[in-house]
Amino acid sequence: GAVVSQHPSRVICKSGTSVKIECRSLDFQATTMFWYRQFPKQSLMLMATSNEGSKATYEQGVEKDKFLINHASLTLSTLTVTSAHPEDSSFYICSAPDSSPGTLHFGNGTRLTVT
Amino acid sequence: AQSVTQLDSQVPVFEEAPVELRCNYSSSVSVYLFWYVQYPNQGLQLLLKYLSGSTLVESINGFEAEFNKSQTSFHLRKPSVHISDTAEYFCAVSENSGNTPLVFGKGTRLSVIA
Repeated sequence: GAVVSQHPSRVICKSGTSVKIECRSLDFQATTMFWYRQFPKQSLMLMATSNEGSKATYEQGVEKDKFLINHASLTLSTLTVTSAHPEDSSFYICSAPDSSPGTLHFGNGTRLTVT
Repeated sequence: AQSVTQLDSQVPVFEEAPVELRCNYSSSVSVYLFWYVQYPNQGLQLLLKYLSGSTLVESINGFEAEFNKSQTSFHLRKPSVHISDTAEYFCAVSENSGNTPLVFGKGTRLSVIA
């Protein structure tokens, strides 16, 4: 079946550095990808929607200059956390819909720890 | 806009007992409904979903959920739980048109006790 590959699964970085997270659709084309964030013991909150060939749409309260999203092709979307700080430590998950109604494929998530 | 309410943050239950995890949603448009399960330090796994047709949907591991439009609910049930069912369960909703994101509830932690 369709798979969304997300890398890295875990990353530890120092405060002030930038981290890039990749999300690839492996056997289908994803013109849209959704990026979520999950704090410990909390639900998933939609951060932004990336669209191939156009600017991402950010949810209210999400800093677009801090969380850079690039949807460079029909199979790849990236989220870059710029100048990361400890409060950015979280679990980031991407998802992509395929052509079947109501079908979203999720990546396995990236655990980001900023020290 | 949609919203999802999962009233129970934690549900402890003894092994082989039945369980119901409650989910209510709010939406001004027709929706798709989902239940996802998340094991510790892992991503989300789709448990079951309602798109249209029969209001009772089932998963391969014994869970079922019933869409009740009048009560705007999509409760998840299992007649007999196992230790391995211990996990976080998320109810989610999306519009039933186009590529729209899921809106998640806050989750219910199911703890199965031996």
